[in-house]
Amino acid sequence: KAGVTQTPRYLIKTRGQQVTLSCSPISGHRSVSWYQQTPGQGLQFLFEYFSETQRNKGNFPGRFSGRQFSNSRSEMNVSTLELGDSALYLCASSLAGTLANYGYTFGSGTRLTVV
Amino acid sequence: AQKVTQAQTEISVVEKEDVTLDCVYETRDTTYYLFWYKQPPSGELVFLIRRNSFDEQNEISGRYSWNFQKSTSSFNFTITASQVVDSAVYFCALSEVKAAGNKLTFGGGTRVLVKP
Repeated sequence: KAGVTQTPRYLIKTRGQQVTLSCSPISGHRSVSWYQQTPGQGLQFLFEYFSETQRNKGNFPGRFSGRQFSNSRSEMNVSTLELGDSALYLCASSLAGTLANYGYTFGSGTRLTVV
Repeated sequence: AQKVTQAQTEISVVEKEDVTLDCVYETRDTTYYLFWYKQPPSGELVFLIRRNSFDEQNEISGRYSWNFQKSTSSFNFTITASQVVDSAVYFCALSEVKAAGNKLTFGGGTRVLVKP
């Protein structure tokens, strides 16, 4: 059974550019969440998508956005990149429906460096 | 608001020693889930355990064991007879159960270094 696949693994972008990261969840999982990990702030929740709808959102500026497709694959986009956006971006896939929590499987992450 | 505190930022032990990682959480919900994840240098978060708030039984899995005490809001993790391969950062996390969607609130992590 394939795990959670995130692409690309590494990315270097220039300040002011935008970037799109991709996540393919485990087959059958309809929930995809995104997390940002930095040395200073640790692991922080960005947003969760379930059946193509954003269900939950963390405290990040509007430059961070995402979407989910009908096959449950998800993308997140960061516009007008800042140096502080340099981080490891982790995607988590879950069977989670409503009022249930079946746990989360994480991908290997995309390491974004903004120069 | 939810909060998870891992007071130990780094623990260094010699192989075969036991190591206990502390986790204290805060939540106003009566139904919630607690998790432990391991993050090796490769970066991926590896799932170790999930425990719901109604199940206070301790659990053992090989060299790993977990002690959940609701009265003190703690969910501690012990590695028995540590090995070099246990070197990693370990995260404790808390998740509510809400119709509006779930999210994980992570502690700051504890880096475990096992020396041969």
